[in-house]
Parts: sequence; C-alpha cells; structure tokens
Amino acid sequence: AQSVTQPDARVTVSEGASLQLRCKYSYFGTPYLFWYVQYPRQGLQLLLKYYPGDPVVQGVNGFEAEFSKSNSSFHLRKASVHWSDWAVYFCAVSHMGYKLTFGTGTSLLVDP
Amino acid sequence: GPKVLQIPSHQIIDMGQMVTLNCDPVSNHLYFYWYKQILGQQMEFLVNFYNGKVMEKSKLFKDQFSVERPDGSYFTLKIQPTALEDSAVYFCASSLETGANTGQLYFGEGSKLTVL
Repeated sequence: AQSVTQPDARVTVSEGASLQLRCKYSYFGTPYLFWYVQYPRQGLQLLLKYYPGDPVVQGVNGFEAEFSKSNSSFHLRKASVHWSDWAVYFCAVSHMGYKLTFGTGTSLLVDP
Repeated sequence: GPKVLQIPSHQIIDMGQMVTLNCDPVSNHLYFYWYKQILGQQMEFLVNFYNGKVMEKSKLFKDQFSVERPDGSYFTLKIQPTALEDSAVYFCASSLETGANTGQLYFGEGSKLTVL
C-alpha cells in the first residue's frame, strides 16, 4: 500500500534562511507526488505537483521539490524563507490524482 | 483562488447523536471528496462522489456514514450514530475533473468534530 512519511513534525528556520522539508514515500510503480500547504485558518492549497518527467518541479512562492526514485523521496525546498511561509506542509502521493495519501504534516515556524 | 467552504468549523456532540457536516464546493466543480484527519495522524481518504453517486469509499467510511448533494446544494457528510472514534477533523475537497493530470483538489478549512 502507498504511504508517505514526513519525519519532522516541526521545523524552525530563521527568516531569510534556506529550507528543506523532508518527505519519503512508499509506492509500487511510478508515483504522482504533491506538496500542499495549509496557512492558519485556511484550507489546504496545492504548492506543486510531480508527474513523471523532470525530477525538479517548481511551485508557487519560490518553492521547488526534487523527486528521487533511488531515495524514494520528494523533499521540498526554498532558498529564502519569508515570515508568510509560516504554515503546515503536507506531502502526498497518489495513483489516480484524487485518492491522495498524505503524510502527517510538518509545521514550519519562522523566526523573525 | 477558488474556495471550498465548510460549516461548521467546530462541533461538539454526545456519542450516539447524529451530525451533519456541510461543504460548499467550488461552483463549477463536479467531483467531491471527504478526508478525515485524527490529531497528529495522517489525513485519510474517506469517499468521493460524482453525479449523485459514491464513486469509491475507503474502509474508514463506515455504515454509519453517508454523503449526498441534494439539488446541487451543500455536499454533506452525515454520521448517524456517532462514536468516540469519529472525533477528528473532516476535510472536504472538490475538483473540476479527476485523474492524475487534471484533477487538482481544492480543500476546505476542515470541520473539527468532537464526540464526547
């Protein structure tokens, strides 16, 4: 069965510093992978998605993620974090695009 | 961007009572979903709904659960009767299309259900 692991429940970074949020997936076959973000008092919003192809995908607000089949990973990165990035980030894997399997989420705290 | 609204944001009820969670999906969307998240755990797929019918449901979608969207109004999740293990945050989502290449889901803020 497919699964997603986000090993860090909480990550704290200073504003302007770089960021990596980790995501490991388990999936038989070629996965479709997603990063969603949930800002305070809002619904989940799609940051970026990976479909088989270029392993580095660009998302909104300067986020990018890199797919690695050998490491079964899909880590999220940002070169310079802004205070407005304070949110919970969810990694998800899917076979059909709608039946998403989510990780437990990583709360990102930004130090001013 | 497109918004999915969920009502109520939080509901507390006694075990055995009925609860209805309401979802107002994006206006032109055709596919509707419910996900369940227990605190500190993964968000899990419950059910998806299209053209007035349940397309697929998970093992979490117990017999006490039902969904409907009468006359294009709210997409609802009803639990009758509720059990303690139903305490969770329930997320509604909608999409215009389905499938990996086109089916971007738009999520609501969640409805937190507490069963006492």
